[in-house]
Amino acid sequence: QKEVEQNSGPLSVPEGAIASLNCTYSDRGSQSFFWYRQYSGKSPELIMFIYSNGDKEDGRFTAQLNKASQYVSLLIRDSQPSDSATYLCAVNMGGGNKLTFGTGTQLKVEL
Amino acid sequence: DGGITQSPKYLFRKEGQNVTLSCEQNLNHDAMYWYRQDPGQGLRLIYYSQIVNDFQKGDIAEGYSVSREKKESFPLTVTSAQKNPTAFYLCASSMQGITDTQYFGPGTRLTVL
Repeated sequence: QKEVEQNSGPLSVPEGAIASLNCTYSDRGSQSFFWYRQYSGKSPELIMFIYSNGDKEDGRFTAQLNKASQYVSLLIRDSQPSDSATYLCAVNMGGGNKLTFGTGTQLKVEL
Repeated sequence: DGGITQSPKYLFRKEGQNVTLSCEQNLNHDAMYWYRQDPGQGLRLIYYSQIVNDFQKGDIAEGYSVSREKKESFPLTVTSAQKNPTAFYLCASSMQGITDTQYFGPGTRLTVL
């Protein structure tokens, strides 16, 4: 069974801090990795994707990929209350179009 | 205004009824997907289609059916055979390509009365 695992949280960080969200995956041959943000009662929205080892930055968000250790992480700098949401990690395992989703990590940014 | 639309936003079904959820996209995407999300759980794939007139079962296809007669449309029917259909249903689409990034519609919340 190919799996994507995330800590369900909640992860609480103070406003202005760095939030670090982690995701591990079981299929060593995975090629594409995605982070989605989902507000309560809403659909997931894409934050960013990464498919090469190392870091990818987009504004306050940085995705980090380590294929040897089979983990991908998302860093959110200068966390804001509006960042409070569930963050879903998704992995393209085995090629094709299918994504396998983790159960998500709930992030709470406190004033 | 490009995007993915789903209707209705809320749907109530009596036991024993079939209901159809609509999904339309004007992004010219090749592939479309249906997911189910239950509270506290991740997204589970029901069906997906990579091309018109072709679709494949996902991980939890039992009790569901789909059609793909047009590139922009991928309706999902929840049949009476689905024993626990109350959930949040999400439609997504993607271009065929290296990243296969999926974009989601707003979702339909189905409740069985």
